Amino acid sequence: AQSVTQPDIHITVSEGASLELRCNYSYGATPYLFWYVQSPGQGLQLLLKYFSGDTLVQGIKGFEAEFKRSQSSFNLRKPSVHWSDAAEYFCAGRDFIDYKLSFGAGTTVTVRA
Amino acid sequence: KAGVTQTPRYLIKTRGQQVTLSCSPISGHRSVSWYQQTPGQGLQFLFEYFSETQRNKGNFPGRFSGRQFSNSRSEMNVSTLELGDSALYLCASSLKEGTNTEAFFGQGTRLTVV
Repeated sequence: AQSVTQPDIHITVSEGASLELRCNYSYGATPYLFWYVQSPGQGLQLLLKYFSGDTLVQGIKGFEAEFKRSQSSFNLRKPSVHWSDAAEYFCAGRDFIDYKLSFGAGTTVTVRA
Repeated sequence: KAGVTQTPRYLIKTRGQQVTLSCSPISGHRSVSWYQQTPGQGLQFLFEYFSETQRNKGNFPGRFSGRQFSNSRSEMNVSTLELGDSALYLCASSLKEGTNTEAFFGQGTRLTVV
C-alpha cells in the first residue's frame, strides 16, 4: 500500500537549536507530499508541499523540506526553533489512484528553554 | 478569504444517539474530505466528496455517512454512537480532485460520546 511513515514519535529540542523531522514514503511514482502542523485542539495547518521540480521546498514559519528520491524521504527542517514550534507534525502523501491523502502517525515536538 | 469552517466545535452525545457535523469549505473549493483523529489510531480517512458525489470511502462501518450539497458544503452523520466514536473530526477542502492539490483543514469538531 502506498503510504508515509514517520519513524520518530517524539522529539525534544532546545530553543534555538535546529530541528529535523523524518518522513519516508512508499509510492510507486514521484509522490505528492505535504507537511502539516497541529497545535493542541486545533486543525492541521499546511507548512509546505512538494509536487515536482526543485527538491528543496520552502514553507511557512521558516520550515523547509528536502525530497530525496534515492532515500524515499521527505524530511522537514528548521534551522532555529522557537518555543512556538512546539506542536505535532504530520507528513502526508496523495495516492495516485484514488487521490486519498494518507498521513503518518505524527511526531510531537517539545521545545525546552 | 474565509477558511474551512466546521460546526459545532464541541459536542457531547450519549451512546446510541446520532450526530451530524457540518463543514463549509473555502469559497470555490469543490472537494471536501473528512478524517477522524484519535490518539490511538491517528488520522484516518473517512470519505471524500467532489461535486456532490462520494469519490472515496475509508474503512469505517456504515454508521458513518456523509453528503455534499450543491454549494459544496458537506455534512457527515454518525448513527448509533459508540464510545469509540469519541474523536476529533476534521474536514478538509481542496480546490479540485487530483494529486497535485493541497488540502486545507478546519479546526475540527470534538465529539465526546458518554
